[in-house]
This record gives sequence, structure tokens and C-alpha cells, in this order.
Amino acid sequence: AQKITQTQPGMFVQEKEAVTLDCTYDTSDPSYGLFWYKQPSSGEMIFLIYQGSYDQQNATEGRYSLNFQKARKSANLVISASQLGDSAMYFCAMSPNSGNTPLVFGKGTRLSVIA
Amino acid sequence: NAGVTQTPKFQVLKTGQSMTLQCAQDMNHEYMSWYRQDPGMGLRLIHYSVGAGITDQGEVPNGYNVSRSTTEDFPLRLLSAAPSQTSVYFCASSFGGPGSNQPQHFGDGTRLSIL
Repeated sequence: AQKITQTQPGMFVQEKEAVTLDCTYDTSDPSYGLFWYKQPSSGEMIFLIYQGSYDQQNATEGRYSLNFQKARKSANLVISASQLGDSAMYFCAMSPNSGNTPLVFGKGTRLSVIA
Repeated sequence: NAGVTQTPKFQVLKTGQSMTLQCAQDMNHEYMSWYRQDPGMGLRLIHYSVGAGITDQGEVPNGYNVSRSTTEDFPLRLLSAAPSQTSVYFCASSFGGPGSNQPQHFGDGTRLSIL
């Protein structure tokens, strides 16, 4: 079975600083995908970034990058130059690439950006 | 471009009542799923579908039914509402199943309260 652990219930970061949100996962599948989603206070789920387990490079999307350490089974999200609009819940999720095993979500980290 | 549309956005039910949460997508996605989000629990999968006529159970299926008669629609039925089903419900869809690198697109959610 797959499991996602996000150990930081809440994080604070100063505006314009970088912040790392932790995500570790557990799976026995050799091939899998990792996703990060943002949920602002308005409630919608917004896809941020994807990392495949066999991707040679860490994924980047604008100010978002993924620090993927396969041996440690970690996929931390790095947000550079934090903005007030980054204040939200952030969820890490994963699924194996085989079959139709559904996406499993972590419990989330609430990020607060301080001016 | 509507994306994933959920109705209603808010609903209050009495214990024992039944109702259907509607979900429609206009992106021709094969894969659709229903999640519930409870405080501190992240998103938990209720049911999912890999195509019209095919559905399967997720992590927390008890008390819910689904059907998928068309590619576009994936309604979620509460058979006899219970206070434990008070939650925010999200519908999501994607081109490929979760094993692909395609992110899921989420609706705006339905906030359901059972009295």
C-alpha cells in the first residue's frame, strides 16, 4: 500500500524568502508519480508540479521546484521568493504507474506567508 | 472552458435523507473520482471510474454509490445520510488514470452538512 507523510502541520515564512515543504512516501512499486497541489482558503485544489520516479531531473514550474531524493523516498516542494498569495494548504500525493491504483494524498501542510 | 463542475456548492441534509452530488466534466477525461476532505485528514478517495460503465471503490466507500453512464458525468449518491458524512466533497478528472503523469483537475467542491 502507498502512504504519504507530511510532517509539518503548519509553516511560516517571510515574504520573499524560500520555503521547503516536506513530503516522504512509502511504496513498493518501482515506478510511480508524485504530485503537489495547493488549496487556498477559497477551497479549490490547484495542481502545482509533477515528478516521475524515473525522471532524470528534478521538476520545476516557475517558483516551484521539487527536491526529489529517491533513495530517501522524499519529494519536498520548494517555493522560492514567497508571496502573500502562497498562503494555503499544500498537499503531496502519489500513485504507482502500474494499473489504476488511485492517488493517495498526505494530510497537508498549512503555509502562512508573513509580510 | 468549464472544466469540472460540481453541484450543489452547499447542502444541508437531515439524517436519513438521500441525495445525489452531481459532477460533470467537459474535457473528455476517462478517469473520474470522488474524494472527501475532513479536517486534518487530507483527501480520501470514495469511488473512482476509469471509463463509462466502470467504477470501483476507494478507501472510504461505505454509504455512497456511484455510476458512470457517460464519459461526462459521475454522480455520487448518499443512500441514507449520517452525521459522519458531513464533509467537503471533491470530484476530479484526468486524461489518464492516476498511474499516468496527468494531474487531476478538481471541481470547486460541495460542502455537505448532515444534521
